[in-house]
Amino acid sequence: GAVVSQHPSWVICKSGTSVKIECRSLDFQATTMFWYRQFPKQSLMLMATSNEGSKATYEQGVEKDKFLINHASLTLSTLTVTSAHPEDSSFYICSASSVGQGYSPLHFGNGTRLTVT
Amino acid sequence: GQQVMQIPQYQHVQEGEDFTTYCNSSTTLSNIQWYKQRPGGHPVFLIQLVKSGEVKKQKRLTFQFGEAKKNSSLHITATQTTDVGTYFCAGPGGATNKLIFGTGTLLAVQP
Repeated sequence: GAVVSQHPSWVICKSGTSVKIECRSLDFQATTMFWYRQFPKQSLMLMATSNEGSKATYEQGVEKDKFLINHASLTLSTLTVTSAHPEDSSFYICSASSVGQGYSPLHFGNGTRLTVT
Repeated sequence: GQQVMQIPQYQHVQEGEDFTTYCNSSTTLSNIQWYKQRPGGHPVFLIQLVKSGEVKKQKRLTFQFGEAKKNSSLHITATQTTDVGTYFCAGPGGATNKLIFGTGTLLAVQP
């Protein structure tokens, strides 16, 4: 159980375009989903916390107008990278939990490797 | 802010040797979680420790939570090539108890 599906697995886009990444919890209702970014050989950095039916909470330093998050249902959250630039190239991973983040294990999607040319 | 550091950053061992990674938090943690990320993959949950001084074993893996609940360790006995990957500890922090990941330890195992 506790399967999280993320799509697409990888995407290459041109600078200035927007990219949408989907994260779905397949067999449980995720009241909260989390979006992380991971640069090569570095740890996971939390970008934002997405709650169903409300606005996402962004971490300090993360531009909310650039990284648009929508959590329309208990099983789907989307991250849109708007006007992407090469420095946005990274590994984006979503995770989901049916309880508060710090108290229960996170189930991660397979991640999306974004390359902006 | 809260920091979670791991040492070593990188470890290269011969297959069959033991391996240990240490995790240290700047603040007391209510629990500590461990994840493994294979090269090119996503983090996979391994275990959660809650009690002070707790020790848990999963086959060749032994996890320990410090008495002060500020540090933890993961020990692998007789490493195998399948153990290759980056091991992250993570603990809740901040006002919202967001999960803060450690800096990670990359394990390389030479056959």
